[in-house]
Amino acid sequence: EVQLLDSGGGLVQPGGSLRLSCVASGFTFSNYAMGWLRQAPGKGLEWVSVISGSGDNTYYADSVKGRFTISRDKSKNTLYLQMNSLRAEDTAVYYCAKDAHYGSGSYFDFWGQGTLVTVSS
Amino acid sequence: EIVLTQSPGTLSLSPGERATLSCRASQSVISNYLVWYQQIPGQAPRLLIYGASSRATGIPERFSGSGSGTDFTLTISRLEPEDFAVYYCQQYGSSPLTFGGGTKVEIK
Repeated sequence: EVQLLDSGGGLVQPGGSLRLSCVASGFTFSNYAMGWLRQAPGKGLEWVSVISGSGDNTYYADSVKGRFTISRDKSKNTLYLQMNSLRAEDTAVYYCAKDAHYGSGSYFDFWGQGTLVTVSS
Repeated sequence: EIVLTQSPGTLSLSPGERATLSCRASQSVISNYLVWYQQIPGQAPRLLIYGASSRATGIPERFSGSGSGTDFTLTISRLEPEDFAVYYCQQYGSSPLTFGGGTKVEIK
């Protein structure tokens, strides 16, 4: 059974940093791309970032490029999202998700339960 | 970037009725690389349909997807109580990946 356990959310001040983690199980982690998506309160879904199965290729939405960094640790079956220079508009539930394929990001067949990030002073 | 517009914003129907949800793209979606997700409030999204018309594993036959190019449809043949939720389309033919704004299916 595929499981994705995301964590690391919380309250942070504008300009601050936070690192999200997602522990994966139930599938061969390195065979699939992984992504982060987010949902602001009462709003729709937004793609944030994707990393290829090998970890060699990363992709970002323009809204987070230069501020967020996605990475993965094959030995720990864990996906990360380092978020720096956080803004109020980054406030959202962040979901870790398994991509259906290996490469550059397609669609997501399994999702974590989500972790809430609140950026506020 | 491809903009996806979903309509209607809200669909009010009774259990047993047929639901027809629309997703229109601002430009043609390459290879019909379009998916549909269901999201129940407080839960993570669930994949329903990929490749515009293929049901994901474990998805009931009452869910079906159709369409090509710029116009796509999700149909729920007979609404069950657990189907009242928000539905999103997403395209993966072009970068960046983009989502529609969602259609809420509510109980009439």
